[in-house]
Amino acid sequence: AQKVTQAQTEISVVEKEDVTLDCVYETRDTTYYLFWYKQPPSGELVFLIRRNSFDEQNEISGRYSWNFQKSTSSFNFTITASQVVDSAVYFCALSEDTGGFKTIFGAGTRLFVKA
Amino acid sequence: AAGVIQSPRHLIKEKRETATLKCYPIPRHDTVYWYQQGPGQDPQFLISFYEKMQSDKGSIPDRFSAQQFSDYHSELNMSSLELGDSALYFCASSFKSQSRSQYFGPGTRLLVL
Repeated sequence: AQKVTQAQTEISVVEKEDVTLDCVYETRDTTYYLFWYKQPPSGELVFLIRRNSFDEQNEISGRYSWNFQKSTSSFNFTITASQVVDSAVYFCALSEDTGGFKTIFGAGTRLFVKA
Repeated sequence: AAGVIQSPRHLIKEKRETATLKCYPIPRHDTVYWYQQGPGQDPQFLISFYEKMQSDKGSIPDRFSAQQFSDYHSELNMSSLELGDSALYFCASSFKSQSRSQYFGPGTRLLVL
């Protein structure tokens, strides 16, 4: 069965601090997809990144970076030099290749960035 | 760029009424997904359609039904509404060959009184 755990319920940082959001997943599939989504206070879900299970290369996009480690089943997300606009709930999600089209979300981490 | 369109954006219904939510996927996207997000909860997968056929089913109540039409838009029909159905309902779309990168619509906020 697939499962996504985001152990950090809430994180509060001061602007310009770096912050890492943790994500641990469980799956029996060898082929799967991992995602991060951002949900700002306005409510929409914004797609941030997709990573395939066979691609462990870390990725950087501006102030965002992702660290995928299959050995520890983790897909952590780091925001460098955080800004107030980064305040949102961040969801990690998993979709198995043999699991149909279902995507399972973690419980989310609420990030507060204070000015 | 065109995004996923959902209508209505807000909906208020009484208990036991019915509601229909509509979703228009991004052009050329062939897969549609429906999710329900209760207050303070993560999105829960309800159902998905690929090429107008149901492709997967999650925790969708029997009171709900959905379909995807020939123009790829989808509708989620909800009957005998209950207070617990109050939630944000997201539709997402993807192009299957793109490994399920789902792009979400703005959501329909349903309030059942």
